[in-house]
Amino acid sequence: SQTIHQWPATLVQPVGSPLSLECTVEGTSNPNLYWYRQAAGRGLQLLFYSVGIGQISSEVPQNLSASRPQDRQFILSSKKLLLSDSGFYLCAWNRDSGRDTQYFGPGTRLTVL
Amino acid sequence: AQSVTQLGSHVSVSEGALVLLRCNYSSSVPPYLFWYVQYPNQGLQLLLKYTSAATLVKGINGFEAEFKKSETSFHLTKPSAHMSDAAEYFCAVRKGGSQGNLIFGKGTKLSVKP
Repeated sequence: SQTIHQWPATLVQPVGSPLSLECTVEGTSNPNLYWYRQAAGRGLQLLFYSVGIGQISSEVPQNLSASRPQDRQFILSSKKLLLSDSGFYLCAWNRDSGRDTQYFGPGTRLTVL
Repeated sequence: AQSVTQLGSHVSVSEGALVLLRCNYSSSVPPYLFWYVQYPNQGLQLLLKYTSAATLVKGINGFEAEFKKSETSFHLTKPSAHMSDAAEYFCAVRKGGSQGNLIFGKGTKLSVKP
């Protein structure tokens, strides 16, 4: 069966510091991968998605970036965090057909102080 | 373009009462619709999905939703609320195209009173 992991579970970072969040999927190959941010009262906002290694599409311009160095690894990064980057970050995957259900990871709670 | 509107950011029901969470969608193509549930500080879990088969969709935990094209609605219901149903619920529509991107509503937080 497939499982999705996110690391770390919680993170507190000062403004201006770098960020690296990791998402890994097990039990499947060539998944579509997604990063979402959930801020209070604003639902889920799609940040990035990837259909393959090195292929990243950005949905919202911001100071965040994403990379996919391996087939089942998706990384969200920032060089300098802003207060507005605080939120709950969720990674998701679905099968490469794109028509399948998206399955979500447990999330990372990021607080920028 | 696709969009989702969830009516009511908070819904409160008594234990044993009917749960009704409303979702209206807009889609220029036949929609794929989803309901997800999120418990505090956890990821989203799929409750059910509509993919153009039966209009009444049954999901996990006793929830079901009915697709009504004429009303562009996909409301979520459960006949009898349980304390464990307290969570946030998100309706989503699949965006057109092959990537399978989802557009989410802003969520409805369900409280269940004893």
